[in-house]
Amino acid sequence: GEDVEQSLFLSVREGDSSVINCTYTDSSSTYLYWYKQEPGAGLQLLTYIFSNMDMKQDQRLTVLLNKKDKHLSLRIADTQTGDSAIYFCAEEGDSGYSTLTFGKGTMLLVSP
Amino acid sequence: DSGVTQTPKHLITATGQRVTLRCSPRSGDLSVYWYQQSLDQGLQFLIQYYNGEERAKGNILERFSAQQFPDLHSELNLSSLELGDSALYFCASSFQGSPGNTIYFGEGSWLTVV
Repeated sequence: GEDVEQSLFLSVREGDSSVINCTYTDSSSTYLYWYKQEPGAGLQLLTYIFSNMDMKQDQRLTVLLNKKDKHLSLRIADTQTGDSAIYFCAEEGDSGYSTLTFGKGTMLLVSP
Repeated sequence: DSGVTQTPKHLITATGQRVTLRCSPRSGDLSVYWYQQSLDQGLQFLIQYYNGEERAKGNILERFSAQQFPDLHSELNLSSLELGDSALYFCASSFQGSPGNTIYFGEGSWLTVV
């Protein structure tokens, strides 16, 4: 079945870059997403990438996709304390239905 | 603000009881999804509706049911509640419910079963 794996925790200093990694198993994934969840809050869509793209940049966010290795990463440049949250990677298959399979989430802690 | 509205935000109930969670999708979205987030299982897809019809089913227990009404709002009914049903229940919506349609999540309904 489909599976999405993420490292559980990442700690960085303010101003550094953060890289959150994700691997997935479904080779038919069409879209891959990054969501952010702050404490006590809902899931905020950060960005997504279509499976035929290698890279997508959106302001401080850069998404890299290696489809051969089924590896996705999210790079946050100039990380701020407000970026501290849990980041979820999710993949969407090509079943014709738009359902997401999520990883367990990576907790990013940004220290001043 | 995603535009997806969920009520109630918090709910505490006893084992064996039944609760209903309500969701209003973003304006113009036809598809509604329900997800459950728990510490042990993470985020699990429960069920998807499109324009009133069930479209996809995930790990939804038989004690749970959902529906989408003609005005496109949706309700998730949880019955014979057990302690393990305590979780954050998310509703999400998208325009057509097809791959590539961005899925927006509400802030969730926290359910505590005691």
